[in-house]
Amino acid sequence: DSGVTQTPKHLITATGQRVTLRCSPRSGDLSVYWYQQSLDQGLQFLIQYYNGEERAKGNILERFSAQQFPDLHSELNLSSLELGDSALYFCASSVAEGAYTEAFFGQGTRLTVV
Amino acid sequence: AQSVSQHNHHVILSEAASLELGCNYSYGGTVNLFWYVQYPGQHLQLLLKYFSGDPLVKGIKGFEAEFIKSKFSFNLRKPSVQWSDTAEYFCAVAGSGNTGKLIFGQGTTLQVKP
Repeated sequence: DSGVTQTPKHLITATGQRVTLRCSPRSGDLSVYWYQQSLDQGLQFLIQYYNGEERAKGNILERFSAQQFPDLHSELNLSSLELGDSALYFCASSVAEGAYTEAFFGQGTRLTVV
Repeated sequence: AQSVSQHNHHVILSEAASLELGCNYSYGGTVNLFWYVQYPGQHLQLLLKYFSGDPLVKGIKGFEAEFIKSKFSFNLRKPSVQWSDTAEYFCAVAGSGNTGKLIFGQGTTLQVKP
């Protein structure tokens, strides 16, 4: 158990819908990262938050947004869903915001868009 | 742009065989390098990391990796694999900036036959 909790574990929804994925970081970790894992794109970095502020952005679609709340949990919102958004979405957390830190990953949320 | 290339997509070995998984990265500055493992149905776990110092790093479960700066490589090795090493292995790189975002390779699936 990495200490990072993601809910829900599985999500099935229809095209055009909106979903929210939730992540609770390890106790004491201030940084949260979101990654998308798909068969064709592999593991792709989406976005990072540190202590409530956005720190880095990857190839995140405009239909996707995220935030980190004062209690440090984070949510990834995916809207106007398309079939191609079906993927495994991982959250990771680390103590610090920079590169010299180890990230701990959650179990992921498997999103299926039908 | 940063990129990571893993040469082997699928490797099949018998127990007790030696393992070497290739990883090359493309990045102009100082890098931090990681190998993560994902056992079936589980979260990504850190095997080992390189930030600086001795280019030969030892990780958990008997794994080691060697950073060769001139070759932009960070290959993972294990002298003798076990059936329990069956998993997917990811090489990742982070820059030295103020973000811990990881750029992952495509992953290598290792199957160890008993």
